[in-house]
Amino acid sequence: GQQVMQIPQYQHVQEGEDFTTYCNSSTTLSNIQWYKQRPGGHPVFLIQLVKSGEVKKQKRLTFQFGEAKKNSSLHITATQTTDVGTYFCAGRGAFGNEKLTFGTGTRLTIIP
Amino acid sequence: SQTIHQWPATLVQPVGSPLSLECTVEGTSNPNLYWYRQAAGRGLQLLFYSVGIGQISSEVPQNLSASRPQDRQFILSSKKLLLSDSGFYLCAWTSGGIYGYTFGSGTRLTVV
Repeated sequence: GQQVMQIPQYQHVQEGEDFTTYCNSSTTLSNIQWYKQRPGGHPVFLIQLVKSGEVKKQKRLTFQFGEAKKNSSLHITATQTTDVGTYFCAGRGAFGNEKLTFGTGTRLTIIP
Repeated sequence: SQTIHQWPATLVQPVGSPLSLECTVEGTSNPNLYWYRQAAGRGLQLLFYSVGIGQISSEVPQNLSASRPQDRQFILSSKKLLLSDSGFYLCAWTSGGIYGYTFGSGTRLTVV
């Protein structure tokens, strides 16, 4: 079955440093979504990427979908304490399968 | 606007006791509904999903079951809880296709 891995599993950064998490799928995806889960909270949808090579930005967050549609990345510039949480990618299969397969997640902690 | 309600927020149950968690969605019709479980510090495991009333698909064989008695109601049940059933249970909905998932606030279940 489809597997989605994320690296790193944990990341500790000084406030103001940049952060990147990478997502890799075992199969080609039709689209990929990103979610953020604050400590003690539930996942919240951030964005969806659909096109090969697509890049989208949300303020300090930059999301990228690989050319082969098997990998994606999330980059945060100049992290702030509000960025703390676990970031999940989630991919939907290439043949329109309704179910998302969530990645393993990257937990980001910020050192003030 | 659409909202999703999930209750209770926390639950402590003895081993062998029954379980019933309820999730309801407002402001939409015929949503796709999902039950996920998240172990402490871990990723999201899809348990059940439903694309319509009475239509339940199980992802992981276990002592849990799900039902969808009404269009916007999704129930997770167990006849006899195991210690391994402890975790954070999340209900989610989507209108399908390319849309992101909206998660409920979750139920933290501790089986003692």
